[in-house]
Amino acid sequence: DIVMTQSPDSLAVSLGERATINCKSSQSLLYTSNNKNYLAWYQQKPGQPPKLLIYWASTRQSGVPDRFSGSGSGTDFTLSISSLQAEDVAVYYCQQYYTSYTFGQGTKLEIK
Amino acid sequence: QVQLVESGRGVVQPGRSLRLSCAASGLNFKNYGMHWVRQAPGKGLEWLAVITYDAINTSYADSVKGRFSISRDDSKNTVFLQMNSVRPEDTAVYYCAAAALYYFDYWGRGTLVTVSS
Repeated sequence: DIVMTQSPDSLAVSLGERATINCKSSQSLLYTSNNKNYLAWYQQKPGQPPKLLIYWASTRQSGVPDRFSGSGSGTDFTLSISSLQAEDVAVYYCQQYYTSYTFGQGTKLEIK
Repeated sequence: QVQLVESGRGVVQPGRSLRLSCAASGLNFKNYGMHWVRQAPGKGLEWLAVITYDAINTSYADSVKGRFSISRDDSKNTVFLQMNSVRPEDTAVYYCAAAALYYFDYWGRGTLVTVSS
């Protein structure tokens, strides 16, 4: 089974500053035949279901603000929020869909 | 506007069975693979099961294989999760999610299942 490990577990960032969340997979998520990384990012605000932010590691879902960006390839990935807004307080999860489906443990993002 | 609405019994005794439903609207249901994901209180997300858009294939997490079963009724735009021999550790919010490809485009609001005597 592919294990997804996020870091840090929690993060406090000042409004307007950059937030960076890392996600590492136990095996490569890059499918060489199509050069796509089978990784998504989700945002879960308190009391709400998760919401898709990013897929194929770096493609922003329609309607997601462009301050959110995804990067990385193979086994190491990053979700960045360029200028933190109050409404970005949430838990963020990475997910692999290369082999079955696995989520990271989540990263709780708060305002400093 | 896409809506996924889960329903099912709230409290169930250990060892009993229950069936969760998820009714979809606002999307072409037949084009979506459907998943169940759960979240234990204060914990992270755990993927449980998937049924492909054509209902030909299903797959399960090891934690529920042999106890849970996923099915769909395209005439009712509904996906089901049959939960047998439930355990206290099955206590969680259960979400259904729709995937056009692999990632989960849409999520329901979830239904809380509590396994307790």
